[in-house]
Amino acid sequence: DIQMTQSPSTLSASVGDRVAITCRASQSISSWLAWFQQKPGKAPKFLIYNASSLKSGVPSRFSGSGSGTEFTLTITSLQPDDFATYYCQQYNSYPLTFGGGTKVEMK
Amino acid sequence: QVQLVESGGGVVKPGGSLRLSCAASGFTFGDYYMTWIRQAPGKGLELISYINYGGSTTYYADSVKGRFTISRDNAKKALYLQMNSLRAEDTAVYFCAREDYGTYCSSISCYLDYWGQGTLVTVSS
Repeated sequence: DIQMTQSPSTLSASVGDRVAITCRASQSISSWLAWFQQKPGKAPKFLIYNASSLKSGVPSRFSGSGSGTEFTLTITSLQPDDFATYYCQQYNSYPLTFGGGTKVEMK
Repeated sequence: QVQLVESGGGVVKPGGSLRLSCAASGFTFGDYYMTWIRQAPGKGLELISYINYGGSTTYYADSVKGRFTISRDNAKKALYLQMNSLRAEDTAVYFCAREDYGTYCSSISCYLDYWGQGTLVTVSS
């Protein structure tokens, strides 16, 4: 199975900050990576596919980059609604696997 | 619009059984692989099972293999998870999710584009 490792596990930031979350794969997954946002008590919300393509309706302050084994989710100008936990998911091969999550909390 | 609604969660004693259901609407259910993902309290996401279009191919994580069974009824647009021999470590919110297909997917698998709201399973004596 492909292992996905996210860092940091927790990130403290303020409204207006630029934040970056890293996701590393244990082997190359090309660009087959998705990002999700999850708020407490809710289902994960799909944000980005193919490492850098935004799902329709996702604010443009979210962006994704990377390929191979290293990927980044960047939020420019963090908004109050963005405080949440973020997960990456690889779909290069089965079984689909997730990173351990990065909680973006208020500083 | 696409909707997935889970049901069937609850409190069960160790060794007991539960059957989760996921009702799908807003899309051609039989065209998609479907998955069950769980999230233990305060933990991350774990894919525990998936099933292909017609139900002929299934996958189980080692943590549930031999105890859980995934199935689907395309006519009823429903996904199921039969959970037997439940353990305390199975306590989690269980989500059903749709695996997309097509242009933006790898040749093997894809992202999970729609999720249900989840149903809580608590295994406790």
